[in-house]
Amino acid sequence: ETGVTQTPRHLVMGMTNKKSLKCEQHLGHNAMYWYKQSAKKPLELMFVYNFKEQTENNSVPSRFSPECPNSSHLFLHLHTLQPEDSALYLCASTPTPRLENTGELFFGEGSRLTVL
Amino acid sequence: AQKITQTQPGMFVQEKEAVTLDCTYDTSDQSYGLFWYKQPSSGEMIFLIYQGSYDEQNATEGRYSLNFQKARKSANLVISASQLGDSAMYFCAIHGAGSYQLTFGKGTKLSVIP
Repeated sequence: ETGVTQTPRHLVMGMTNKKSLKCEQHLGHNAMYWYKQSAKKPLELMFVYNFKEQTENNSVPSRFSPECPNSSHLFLHLHTLQPEDSALYLCASTPTPRLENTGELFFGEGSRLTVL
Repeated sequence: AQKITQTQPGMFVQEKEAVTLDCTYDTSDQSYGLFWYKQPSSGEMIFLIYQGSYDEQNATEGRYSLNFQKARKSANLVISASQLGDSAMYFCAIHGAGSYQLTFGKGTKLSVIP
């Protein structure tokens, strides 16, 4: 069982829908991340949260709205998406937001989003 | 700014053989870390191995070893005795000192043939 759990694993939505992706980590980490993985492109960092505070927004369009109510939970609220937003959205966590030593990111299995 | 280049979109290897996955990087940081992750079809990114820029010895983790050539800015992953379960996407990544952002390459799809 992974220490980082993402739901739903698959989501299909229309461009006018509003949906949310959820991430929960059971590792006691303080930093959480959203990454986007599109076909044939490198993983792209979207948001970083440290102790519930957003510390990085990597020029992400406002139709993606993150929420971090506590250090264990991270949401990505989706509204008015475009077909090009279809991708695998990966959540990750680390003990601190600064990658020291091995700097290993612990990833969830991702939520595969399809926008019609 | 940092950049990772993985020039092999796909690789095939016979079961029980060794395989090398290429990774070159570009960074202006004096101190940095290099990572390899494995992504099976399930989607989860699995950490494999880490090499710090000041580590003098190449990192090893079981069947995985990292061939670190600092002057050439390369960090190739070597998988020995390939297994069918090694079939997956493999990503090389880099972070700068004190940074929380990992920069990933486009990945290499490895297929292990029985």
